[in-house]
Amino acid sequence: KAGVTQTPRYLIKTRGQQVTLSCSPISGHRSVSWYQQTPGQGLQFLFEYFSETQRNKGNFPGRFSGRQFSNSRSEMNVSTLELGDSALYLCASSAGTGLSGYTFGSGTRLTVV
Amino acid sequence: QKEVEQNSGPLSVPEGAIASLNCTYSDRGSQSFFWYRQYSGKSPELIMSIYSNGDKEDGRFTAQLNKASQYVSLLIRDSQPSDSATYLCAASGGGADGLTFGKGTHLIIQP
Repeated sequence: KAGVTQTPRYLIKTRGQQVTLSCSPISGHRSVSWYQQTPGQGLQFLFEYFSETQRNKGNFPGRFSGRQFSNSRSEMNVSTLELGDSALYLCASSAGTGLSGYTFGSGTRLTVV
Repeated sequence: QKEVEQNSGPLSVPEGAIASLNCTYSDRGSQSFFWYRQYSGKSPELIMSIYSNGDKEDGRFTAQLNKASQYVSLLIRDSQPSDSATYLCAASGGGADGLTFGKGTHLIIQP
């Protein structure tokens, strides 16, 4: 069974640009959540989608947004990139409520220069 | 604000010994707890989940939960050099609030 797939693996962008990251969950998983990981702050929750609806959002500015499609694939968008947005962005999928745990993708390493 | 606290380490344990990792959480509404292992440059990998007070064993791993003390631990028996990694403790309220992670404990197993 295929795992969580994130594309691209690496990305270099310039300040002020925008970026879109993609995540395909495990087949049958309807919940997709996104996390930002940095050395200083660790793993921080961005938002979670279930059946195309955003169920919750972490404490991030509005420049961070996402969506989920009918096939459960999800995209995350960051507009007006800042140097501090450089991080590993991880997507995780779950069968439903998350009580059974979340499986993470390999992540997208975003560098903003 | 929900918080999960872990000792950042490094925690150094001789090969073959028991490694004990601990975390505390602030939100009494947390229902599910997870331990993830993350190797350098890799994504987190789920190794244990626990929902009820007490112990849960899976191979060399034992997770322990004490909701009254808001304390979760992970024991790794017969530690191997391949267990050297950062171990992340996470808590979830069971709803749509995602996982709250600690910053991780860096474990080093010395051959």
